[in-house]
Amino acid sequence: GAVVSQHPSRVICKSGTSVKIECRSLDFQATTMFWYRQFPKKSLMLMATSNEGSKATYEQGVEKDKFLINHASLTLSTLTVTSAHPEDSSFYICSARDASVGGLETQYFGPGTRLLVL
Amino acid sequence: GNSVTQMEGPVTLSEEAFLTINCTYTATGYPSLFWYVQYPGEGLQLLLKATKADDKGSNKGFEATYRKETTSFHLEKGSVQVSDSAVYFCALSGADSNYQLIWGAGTKLIIKP
Repeated sequence: GAVVSQHPSRVICKSGTSVKIECRSLDFQATTMFWYRQFPKKSLMLMATSNEGSKATYEQGVEKDKFLINHASLTLSTLTVTSAHPEDSSFYICSARDASVGGLETQYFGPGTRLLVL
Repeated sequence: GNSVTQMEGPVTLSEEAFLTINCTYTATGYPSLFWYVQYPGEGLQLLLKATKADDKGSNKGFEATYRKETTSFHLEKGSVQVSDSAVYFCALSGADSNYQLIWGAGTKLIIKP
């Protein structure tokens, strides 16, 4: 149980294009989803927290107009990297949480999406 | 604020060796503590957790005990395998940080046959 999927797993795009990454909770309803970015050999950096039906809360220094987050339903959140540039190349990871599954303190992670912007 | 400190890697061991990866934390209140593992090219997996003092989390031969007196949550395994090679992250979560995960820097573990 508590499986989270991400799609795509890997994407290569040209500079200036937009890329959408999907995060789905497969067997539970995720009232809260998180988006992280991981740089090589570094820990995770929380980008934003989204609650279903409301606007995402972005961490300091994260551009909300560049990283659009939509938590459309209790099982789906999307991250759109708009007008991507090479410096946006990274490993993007989502996680999902529901108080009835593991409690408020436990997050379940997707497998990650590797984005390469040329 | 809350923080997690874990030993720097990489940690290189031979197969069947005993493993300890140290993790200490600073927190107000009573956080839950976690170890996550990231295998090469993959996302994070919850390895084990403990939600209160003196709890021991265990999974796949790994274990860690929540020690409030030393504010520690060290990860141990009696006999490591090559397949345990991965990056291990210690983390905490508590009500005072709205249950956001506070991460350690990660420790890369390399097991040689």
